[in-house]
Amino acid sequence: DAKTTQPTSMDCAEGRAANLPCNHSTISGNEYVYWYRQIHSQGPQYIIHGLKNNETNEMASLIITEDRKSSTLILPHATLRDTAVYYCIVRVETGRRALTFGSGTRLQVQP
Amino acid sequence: DTAVSQTPKYLVTQMGNDKSIKCEQNLGHDTMYWYKQDSKKFLKIMFSYNNKELIINETVPNRFSPKSPDKAHLNLHINSLELGDSAVYFCASSSTERSLNEQFFGPGTRLTVL
Repeated sequence: DAKTTQPTSMDCAEGRAANLPCNHSTISGNEYVYWYRQIHSQGPQYIIHGLKNNETNEMASLIITEDRKSSTLILPHATLRDTAVYYCIVRVETGRRALTFGSGTRLQVQP
Repeated sequence: DTAVSQTPKYLVTQMGNDKSIKCEQNLGHDTMYWYKQDSKKFLKIMFSYNNKELIINETVPNRFSPKSPDKAHLNLHINSLELGDSAVYFCASSSTERSLNEQFFGPGTRLTVL
């Protein structure tokens, strides 16, 4: 799996958009970008994933650059419950493979 | 209607003891995992089972032995517990049949070895 680089921590005001960047300059053509988050003391939770097109679901939007070397997870209206560690993971799409977690970005949503 | 459940949620035990952690998923998935999260919060894969067969076994001491009685269960047995085994253990599951391959995680089991 390709290596990813994320900022260690970020702050965001409640109600504002949270934009979490991820660099994955060595990504291969068949590797997807996945985002998971871990709220304190809970198991990780899937957020969204994409290959090359931008994706949106009920939780977030994923913007992938045209060269696929970086991406941004967007939480459009952050709430206090979005405070968590966010992990950007690059991997091929197969259900038999485990996830390789980095250190992630600790997002603190401020009231 | 919990998707992935683990028991117990907390486990406190003495060094040298043998303990088990149970995991069950009701999602109909065919692949299950055990992850370990240490005190520095790094999450690492330990084992992966697909249709009751071991497919990943990272560098984990032989004291750790996963057992999968059926596709819905993956238990973790630990012999001769050591202080360094203290961590949070997460079970997860996924399906090879779905293109999404999203992994669902359990709530975790916090193991403390005294």
